[in-house]
Amino acid sequence: GAVVSQHPSWVICKSGTSVKIECRSLDFQATTMFWYRQFPKQSLMLMATSNEGSKATYEQGVEKDKFLINHASLTLSTLTVTSAHPEDSSFYICSARGQRGATETQYFGPGTRLLVL
Amino acid sequence: KQEVTQIPAALSVPEGENLVLNCSFTDSAIYNLQWFRQDPGKGLTSLLLIQSSQREQTSGRLNASLDKSSGRSTLYIAASQPGDSATYLCAPSGNDMRFGAGTRLTVKP
Repeated sequence: GAVVSQHPSWVICKSGTSVKIECRSLDFQATTMFWYRQFPKQSLMLMATSNEGSKATYEQGVEKDKFLINHASLTLSTLTVTSAHPEDSSFYICSARGQRGATETQYFGPGTRLLVL
Repeated sequence: KQEVTQIPAALSVPEGENLVLNCSFTDSAIYNLQWFRQDPGKGLTSLLLIQSSQREQTSGRLNASLDKSSGRSTLYIAASQPGDSATYLCAPSGNDMRFGAGTRLTVKP
């Protein structure tokens, strides 16, 4: 079964609204979470890396005030796209890394497809 | 910053062929490396994960090798089938985890 969930799986919103995406690790504690986005026919681009309880580290070119990342607990990270515009339409995927049993492991969520009209 | 390169960018083969996909990365300080497949419009499917202490992993017709010191990994697919058609991505995982641009594989019946 899935060990990392994302909610919602897809969202359509009007330009100017804010959208929050949740990423949960279901049966392990994720000390690190990664957020990616993927535009059509392109590969996944890392947006930011967040460690639990710390501020996220953003990749160059990713606006931290536009893409708010919160990693307040070991099982939940959220990405909020503030004042979304059509160019923010993309496929957003999270990944959670942590100890699962005796092994350091990493799993990906199923992704959230965002369409901004 | 880790840079990941995948060669070839695209590959088209007849059914039944064995094939090799290549991945190279610049920073050898990694915990593990994963190979994924992605079908059009879909999320990622994890194929194989190789820990940094391992040299290879096998799952069915797939075999992945890792040479951490030289920053290389290969994915070997035996007896390819049309259902193997997808984009294959490698991602070394260290302080961060970045993806290559992928190899788009087409297996023709």
